[in-house]
Amino acid sequence: GESVGLHLPTLSVQEGDNSIINCAYSNSASDYFIWYKQESGKGPQFIIDIRSNMDKRQGQRVTVLLNKTVKHLSLQIAATQPGDSAVYFCAELVPAGTALIFGKGTTLSVSS
Amino acid sequence: GAVVSQHPSWVICKSGTSVKIECRSLDFQATTMFWYRQFPKQSLMLMATSNEGSKATYEQGVEKDKFLINHASLTLSTLTVTSAHPEDSSFYICSARGLAGISYEQYFGPGTRLTVT
Repeated sequence: GESVGLHLPTLSVQEGDNSIINCAYSNSASDYFIWYKQESGKGPQFIIDIRSNMDKRQGQRVTVLLNKTVKHLSLQIAATQPGDSAVYFCAELVPAGTALIFGKGTTLSVSS
Repeated sequence: GAVVSQHPSWVICKSGTSVKIECRSLDFQATTMFWYRQFPKQSLMLMATSNEGSKATYEQGVEKDKFLINHASLTLSTLTVTSAHPEDSSFYICSARGLAGISYEQYFGPGTRLTVT
């Protein structure tokens, strides 16, 4: 089932802009979160993860922010490129759970 | 890195027939494998969790007699869609969790597109 919501289904940006994709989760017991990128007809591709004992984690061009107070997760993509166009999903894992539960996804469209 | 493969990548079958989809962990042993289903423009929905050598655990609303899951080895899980109907047409994605990995590392396959005519 789905336990995340409050998202923009689509986000359109210009090449070079910074993109921010949001996700809200409902289970306060979730202790691990991952952002995935999915291109058409392909499986999810890992982007970045964060544990609940952190509030920020940075990767290459991407940053994930976690606000446990309001149960909010965001993915920031710096200098967005056309190749970043895809659907982005957040996923969460509760401590006792074994499978990742996915949110509804946001379609990012990057125009040149 | 850990690689998960699926076979076939796409399949077309006639209504009423059965289709088997394989999920393999290529360079690691997977104690647990997961099957997800994704309809167009929707998210991944967990169907079932399977542990090697034991019966799969199905999510609420997923018919276990229709979606047969077998996890016979640490590198292979299969999903058989029995008596397929057009409404079963979907993108089926498996993922695997490693034997020695930390509990939340889950690696995804490339997906299998099933079309039932």
